Amino acid sequence: KQEVTQIPAALSVPEGENLVLNCSFTDSAIYNLQWFRQDPGKGLTSLLLIQSSQREQTSGRLNASLDKSSGRSTLYIAASQPGDSATYLCAVPNSGGGADGLTFGKGTHLIIQP
Amino acid sequence: DTAVSQTPKYLVTQMGNDKSIKCEQNLGHDTMYWYKQDSKKFLKIMFSYNNKELIINETVPNRFSPKSPDKAHLNLHINSLELGDSAVYFCASSKQGGSGYTFGSGTRLTVV
Repeated sequence: KQEVTQIPAALSVPEGENLVLNCSFTDSAIYNLQWFRQDPGKGLTSLLLIQSSQREQTSGRLNASLDKSSGRSTLYIAASQPGDSATYLCAVPNSGGGADGLTFGKGTHLIIQP
Repeated sequence: DTAVSQTPKYLVTQMGNDKSIKCEQNLGHDTMYWYKQDSKKFLKIMFSYNNKELIINETVPNRFSPKSPDKAHLNLHINSLELGDSAVYFCASSKQGGSGYTFGSGTRLTVV
């Protein structure tokens, strides 16, 4: 059964720093991998979706990489801002098509200090 | 304009009661889901429906019964509520293949 682990569980850094969030998964036969952001009391917002054939995806200051063979993904946040403070979740589909839902990591709680 | 909307946002009820949470999506997605986020913030799939048909039912007590009247709606009915059912329940939808995943804002259920 797929397991997703995120490290670190929490991170607090000063504004302006570049940072890396890590995600690992046990079953490398994934269809894609997604990074989500969750703000307190809110739902999840999809940040980046990387297909299994891709190595990375970029959106603004966010860059996500995927190494299927080693079962790892990283989310790189450049020039962090206080508005980036949130919980970041990594998720992979339970089956190829994704209709079986996603398996999530427990998230990285990120605080950017002004 | 809300893509995935679920109601109510908050629900406080006594043990033993029956309650329902409604979910609607206007994205034209074929697949809808219910997830549970526990007190430790761990998010876990409960049910998945594709075009009104149940695809997956994780190890969820049969007190939980999803109902999908059409592919834009997936409601969750819970019978005989227990203290351990207290959590945030999220509805979500996606396209075929799992892209375009969109979550509702959650329903915080508190059983007292």
